[in-house]
Amino acid sequence: NAGVTQTPKFRILKIGQSMTLQCTQDMNHNYMYWYRQDPGMGLKLIYYSVGAGITDKGEVPNGYNVSRSTTEDFPLRLELAAPSQTSVYFCASSYSGQIPNYGYTFGSGTRLTVV
Amino acid sequence: GDSVTQMEGPVTLSEEAFLTINCTYTATGYPSLFWYVQYPGEGLQLLLKATKADDKGSNKGFEATYRKETTSFHLEKGSVQVSDSAVYFCALSGTSYGKLTFGQGTILTVHP
Repeated sequence: NAGVTQTPKFRILKIGQSMTLQCTQDMNHNYMYWYRQDPGMGLKLIYYSVGAGITDKGEVPNGYNVSRSTTEDFPLRLELAAPSQTSVYFCASSYSGQIPNYGYTFGSGTRLTVV
Repeated sequence: GDSVTQMEGPVTLSEEAFLTINCTYTATGYPSLFWYVQYPGEGLQLLLKATKADDKGSNKGFEATYRKETTSFHLEKGSVQVSDSAVYFCALSGTSYGKLTFGQGTILTVHP
């Protein structure tokens, strides 16, 4: 199994450009999450989804959009890139919201730099 | 809201030294607590967990005890190895849709 696959691994954007970070999982997990990791900071939740067609905002959603048209895919869209969005982005999935029982599977991350 | 605070880092140790990384939390209700590890260039992996007060999570020689009275979940290992060099994150999970709240992470470097 591939687990959670994120693409691209690295990307440099210019201010005002747009891009989509891709996230795909092959474990039939219902729950999916996007986090960002800033230097010296913990991970912050951007958006999450509890199933296809259902998404909701996390702690830091401004400047981002998501969609969940299939169970497998959970892309994160940046519409107008800003330097404050320079970060490492992690996608994660879980079979259930009962994390102590089912746990998370993380992707390997996308390192984004906005210049 | 929920929050997690980890000790300031980074931490540098010699091989076979004793490791402690402090973690305290603020949360409503009865959260579950976790330690995640991130090796260079990889995503986070679950290291250990505890789901109720006085539970001890353990894995690969690492241990942490859920202390409700001090709201703490300190990570310990009796003898670290070079291969333990990584970033360690303390995290908690409340009851809402599996969302995790993370501490800021502690960089551990172990020298031979």
